[in-house]
Amino acid sequence: EAGVAQSPRYKIIEKRQSVAFWCNPISGHATLYWYQQILGQGPKLLIQFQNNGVVDDSQLPKDRFSAERLKGVDSTLKIQPAKLEDSAVYLCASSTRDSLSYEQYFGPGTRLTVT
Amino acid sequence: AQSVAQPEDQVNVAEGNPLTVKCTYSVSGNPYLFWYVQYPNRGLQFLLKYITGDNLVKGSYGFEAEFNKSQTSFHLKKPSALVSDSALYFCAVRGDLDYKLSFGAGTTVTVRA
Repeated sequence: EAGVAQSPRYKIIEKRQSVAFWCNPISGHATLYWYQQILGQGPKLLIQFQNNGVVDDSQLPKDRFSAERLKGVDSTLKIQPAKLEDSAVYLCASSTRDSLSYEQYFGPGTRLTVT
Repeated sequence: AQSVAQPEDQVNVAEGNPLTVKCTYSVSGNPYLFWYVQYPNRGLQFLLKYITGDNLVKGSYGFEAEFNKSQTSFHLKKPSALVSDSALYFCAVRGDLDYKLSFGAGTTVTVRA
């Protein structure tokens, strides 16, 4: 089966600009996650969707980050305006359902550099 | 709050030797433990998980991990390392009182020929 797709793979922007990332999860996966991975750290959950509803966005900086998952399939994560500290790899993951025992499948990530 | 500690930033072993990557965790309730591997410019790949049952869990590519409840550890092991095992390894935990998956900072494994 096809894996989690993300685009773009790389993005360089100046601070205060806006940027958007796209994710297409594995077909049939109801749960979708966005993570931020800063260099030298493990991934940190930003937001979790169950179908097209938000389950957890407690660690999403809502003053500048937004995400949506229309129709319960593809998802978009947006940053506006970007700050230097937003430089990171943004990972999308999906799983068949939101269960403690289910592993997540990750996309290749989008590497964002804010200058 | 739940957390994961990977005490070694780097592990270096010779090909053919045993490989161990250490992980300890803190979680409320029962732990659900995972190991992922990350190759350069690629996303995380699932290796194995402990949910319940046998403390020794076997996973992909010859890896296994041992769950130790009293020591709150979940160390990753491979009896004979390969050069191709060189990568970044992450331990992660979820608790049945906090569904978020929390990751450690990662351990870089280098296997020399």
